[in-house]
Amino acid sequence: EPEVTQTPSHQVTQMGQEVILRCVPISNHLYFYWYRQILGQKVEFLVSFYNNEISEKSEIFDDQFSVERPDGSNFTLKIRSTKLEDSAMYFCATTRDLGTEAFFGQGTRLTVV
Amino acid sequence: AQTVTQSQPEMSVQEAETVTLSCTYDTSESDYYLFWYKQPPSRQMILVIRQEAYKQQNATENRFSVNFQKAAKSFSLKISDSQLGDAAMYFCAYRSALGNEKLTFGTGTRLTIIP
Repeated sequence: EPEVTQTPSHQVTQMGQEVILRCVPISNHLYFYWYRQILGQKVEFLVSFYNNEISEKSEIFDDQFSVERPDGSNFTLKIRSTKLEDSAMYFCATTRDLGTEAFFGQGTRLTVV
Repeated sequence: AQTVTQSQPEMSVQEAETVTLSCTYDTSESDYYLFWYKQPPSRQMILVIRQEAYKQQNATENRFSVNFQKAAKSFSLKISDSQLGDAAMYFCAYRSALGNEKLTFGTGTRLTIIP
């Protein structure tokens, strides 16, 4: 069964450093998303991406964050100058088309120390 | 903006029994999708069941079924013959059918299965 793959599974970084979280979508999927889940809290939408541009972003997704799909396969989330409160589980999700099921990756646990 | 409410932070059920998890939502839209996702200790998000708002028939997937009450904006999940592997966080989620494809999640219900 096709799956969304995220790397790394766990990243520890020092406050102020930049991190890049990577996602390999299912091959024929066209819509990509990043979600965040702070420990013990609900899953929150960050950004959606289609046709090489952001289609929607939440209030959380400020200038500290950026997304891109540089090589047509990996879909990345970059967090600049990380803060302690960025510690969370970050999920990538993809859909083949509008109205179809979202498939989630296994998540990247980001710990900022 | 749409909101999703899960009023039961924790639930427990005896193995082999049936349990129902509650979810209500608020929206002004008439066409949308509703989902239940399971998050086991591994923290991966796994789709359990999906319901299209235009369908009157309640969705069913093996031991999992929903009670979708559109007028009441209620979407509960029933798990029959509960198994130890059902222990997880369960999240209810809403998605518009009008081009905005993001999922809006509830706060989750932690389900414990008692052997």
